[in-house]
Amino acid sequence: EVQLVESGGGLVQPGGSLRLSCAASGLTFSSYNMNWLRQAPGKGLEWVSFISSSGSAIYYADSVKGRFTISRDNAKNSLFLQMNSLRAEDTAVYYCARGSPTTWHFDYWGQGTLVTVSS
Amino acid sequence: EIVMTQSPATLSVSPGERATLSCRASQSVSTNLAWYQQKPGQAPRILIYGASTRATGIPARFSGSGSGTEFTLTISSLQSEDFAVYYCQQYNNWPPWTFGQGTKVEIK
Repeated sequence: EVQLVESGGGLVQPGGSLRLSCAASGLTFSSYNMNWLRQAPGKGLEWVSFISSSGSAIYYADSVKGRFTISRDNAKNSLFLQMNSLRAEDTAVYYCARGSPTTWHFDYWGQGTLVTVSS
Repeated sequence: EIVMTQSPATLSVSPGERATLSCRASQSVSTNLAWYQQKPGQAPRILIYGASTRATGIPARFSGSGSGTEFTLTISSLQSEDFAVYYCQQYNNWPPWTFGQGTKVEIK
């Protein structure tokens, strides 16, 4: 069974930093593209960042470009999101999600971790 | 960026009735469209991909149709566990991958 478990969320002041982690199990992690998505309280879903299976291709949403950095450690079956210069509008539940191996939708999601940016 | 628009925002349906949800893309996405279900406090779950292919374990009462810019998710006979928010998402032109704003299916 595929499991994705996020951690690292919490309360941070505007301008601060936070590092999210996603631990993967039940899959050959190194074979899959991975993504971070987020959902602000009471709002819809927003894709944040993509990293290819090898880490050679990386994309970001314009809203986080230059502030967030996605990375992965295939030896440790882990995905990361380094978030710097955080703003109030970054407050959201952050999900890691696997990219489907056959198309480009998101076929498995973690349960999410809440990031709150507030003074 | 492709903008996805869902309608209606809220759909009130009685258990056992049919629900029809719509999703429109600002430009053609072919059949590169997915539907997700999200219940309160839970992560989204994939229902449909390729506009009409049910994901593993999804009941046959869920069906998707459409291509190009117009798509429909139909729930043939609503069960209590189907009351949730539904999102469409395009994966034809990326990045970014983009979602509709969601349709909430509530009990009438």
